[in-house]
Amino acid sequence: NAGVMQNPRHLVRRRGQEARLRCSPMKGHSHVYWYRQLPEEGLKFMVYLQKENIIDESGMPKERFSAEFPKEGPSILRIQQVVRGDSAAYFCASSRDGQGYNEQFFGPGTRLTVL
Amino acid sequence: DQQVKQNSPSLSVQEGRISILNCDYTNSMFDYFLWYKKYPAEGPTFLISISSIKDKNEDGRFTVFLNKSAKHLSLHIVPSQPGDSAVYFCAASEEGAQKLVFGQGTRLTINP
Repeated sequence: NAGVMQNPRHLVRRRGQEARLRCSPMKGHSHVYWYRQLPEEGLKFMVYLQKENIIDESGMPKERFSAEFPKEGPSILRIQQVVRGDSAAYFCASSRDGQGYNEQFFGPGTRLTVL
Repeated sequence: DQQVKQNSPSLSVQEGRISILNCDYTNSMFDYFLWYKKYPAEGPTFLISISSIKDKNEDGRFTVFLNKSAKHLSLHIVPSQPGDSAVYFCAASEEGAQKLVFGQGTRLTINP
């Protein structure tokens, strides 16, 4: 049973370019969460999605960031016009459903470096 | 506003002894708490959780204690093993909300 998959593992972009981060949840999981970890800090919630729906995007920056979880295919976190401050590790997690107490299982992360 | 705080950035413990990691929170709406372990260049791995209706949960070498009145929880690892060396994150969520709020993490080093 494969865990949460994220790709790429490392991504280098120049300022102003776009970054696309992909996440495939665990088999049987229909809920996806994105978190960001800045150096020497804990993980910060960004967005929570179900298939085709954004449920909670309270942690997403208002501009340049967007997320989707289409009916088919992985969840995508998209960062437009990246800036140096976007350099961080981005983790995706999934859970079986959004009811009750569900542990979230994390992927290995994508480390984004903005030059 | 740091709602979940881990005030010890690092902790060093001798192999075989007990490791105690602490976590404080400020949001009284939190009702579910989790501990995650993280190795470098990997994602966090779920360790153990506790709901607010309990004050203790045990799983093998790991025990989590919750003191709601003090808004404090702790993770006990006994006996500590070299493979336990990692960064440990405390996390919490509110009832009905799925997002986790994480502490800053504590780096645990187990010395042989």
